[in-house]
Amino acid sequence: TQTVSQSDAHVTVFEGDSVELRCNYSYGGSIYLSWYIQHHGRGLQFLLKYYSGNPVVQGVNGFEAEFSKSDSSFHLRKASVHWSDSAVYFCAASSTGYQNFYFGKGTSLTVIP
Amino acid sequence: AQTIHQWPVAEIKAVGSPLSLGCTIKGKSSPNLYWYWQATGGTLQQLFYSITVGQVESVVQLNLSASRPKDDQFILSTEKLLLSHSGFYLCAWGGVQDTQYFGPGTRLLVL
Repeated sequence: TQTVSQSDAHVTVFEGDSVELRCNYSYGGSIYLSWYIQHHGRGLQFLLKYYSGNPVVQGVNGFEAEFSKSDSSFHLRKASVHWSDSAVYFCAASSTGYQNFYFGKGTSLTVIP
Repeated sequence: AQTIHQWPVAEIKAVGSPLSLGCTIKGKSSPNLYWYWQATGGTLQQLFYSITVGQVESVVQLNLSASRPKDDQFILSTEKLLLSHSGFYLCAWGGVQDTQYFGPGTRLLVL
């Protein structure tokens, strides 16, 4: 069974600041790791994904994430946040195949204008 | 382009009453389909997945059932609602390398 943990329930930053949202996973085999964003009361939207290759992956709206096998991590970063980035961010993991998906508890990001 | 629609947008139901939530995907042939439940302020729990018409696999037991009557349709239902069924229900289809594309969700309040 895979587990995904997001250690920060809430993160607050000012507009223009950089931010890192943390995600750690546990799984022994091949794994897909993804980040999703959920604005209040809405469905989730895909941000980016890692499976293999370059450990730094670029996503939409200036987000990037870095995979580390040694740390079992897949942290999400943005160099300069905008107030519209305020939302809940979910890290997710799945094994190769289409069957089971595991989400972290989410990190609520608040960006103060 | 693919579109995913969920209905109804929101429901208020009594404990013990039946429930049926629907999900339709347009523009994608034979999609893998998924149901998730999200408690208020909580994480997503995968409930079911389906890779083809008539075939549904359960991931977690929450006194709910799912069916896939058509290639583009996924239904979530129960005959007797519990208070614990309250939450946000999300349907998704699976894209390349397991990327999930979510619908707008249905908010359910059980009283």
